[in-house]
Amino acid sequence: AQSVAQPEDQVNVAEGNPLTVKCTYSVSGNPYLFWYVQYPNRGLQFLLKYITGDNLVKGSYGFEAEFNKSQTSFHLKKPSALVSDSALYFCAVRLAFAYKYIFGTGTRLKVLA
Amino acid sequence: EAQVTQNPRYLITVTGKKLTVTCSQNMNHEYMSWYRQDPGLGLRQIYYSMNVEVTDKGDVPEGYKVSRKEKRNFPLILESPSPNQTSLYFCASSLGGDDEQYFGPGTRLTVT
Repeated sequence: AQSVAQPEDQVNVAEGNPLTVKCTYSVSGNPYLFWYVQYPNRGLQFLLKYITGDNLVKGSYGFEAEFNKSQTSFHLKKPSALVSDSALYFCAVRLAFAYKYIFGTGTRLKVLA
Repeated sequence: EAQVTQNPRYLITVTGKKLTVTCSQNMNHEYMSWYRQDPGLGLRQIYYSMNVEVTDKGDVPEGYKVSRKEKRNFPLILESPSPNQTSLYFCASSLGGDDEQYFGPGTRLTVT
């Protein structure tokens, strides 16, 4: 079965420290990979995507993600966390052969002042 | 302002009473999707559309119908809602298949 895993329900990090939110996937073909963020009572907002090319992708608000094909991972990173980064983060995969999306279960990021 | 709108934002209904959740986008996007968000399950795709009159099933289509008669609109229809369809629903659109999705604000549906 095709799947996306976000192994951590919650990640706590101190403000100013680097953060990582993990995502691994298991799909056939070459997937398109995305990260979205959801703030309370809001819809999801796009952060970044990997389709092809450079494995390190830079996105909105200082976030970046590294595509690792051998480990089938697409971890989200930021060098210095802000309290305002506290939100729910979703990793998503679009299957190569159809407009079908699989989302992870989400990771709640809490940045402590 | 470029946006995806959904109506209603909140709905409480009873089992078996047909309902429609509307979704509209003003960005001339080709692709549209419906998702439901449930605690611990993330978002699951219900249906998607790649163009007018072209729709297909996502992961959890049972109990739902959609139509795409105009490019901007993609309504979600629950012919006979059941309590297990109580959820937070999101509509989303994207310009192309590789592009990021723009999400609506969500519709919180409760079926009693």
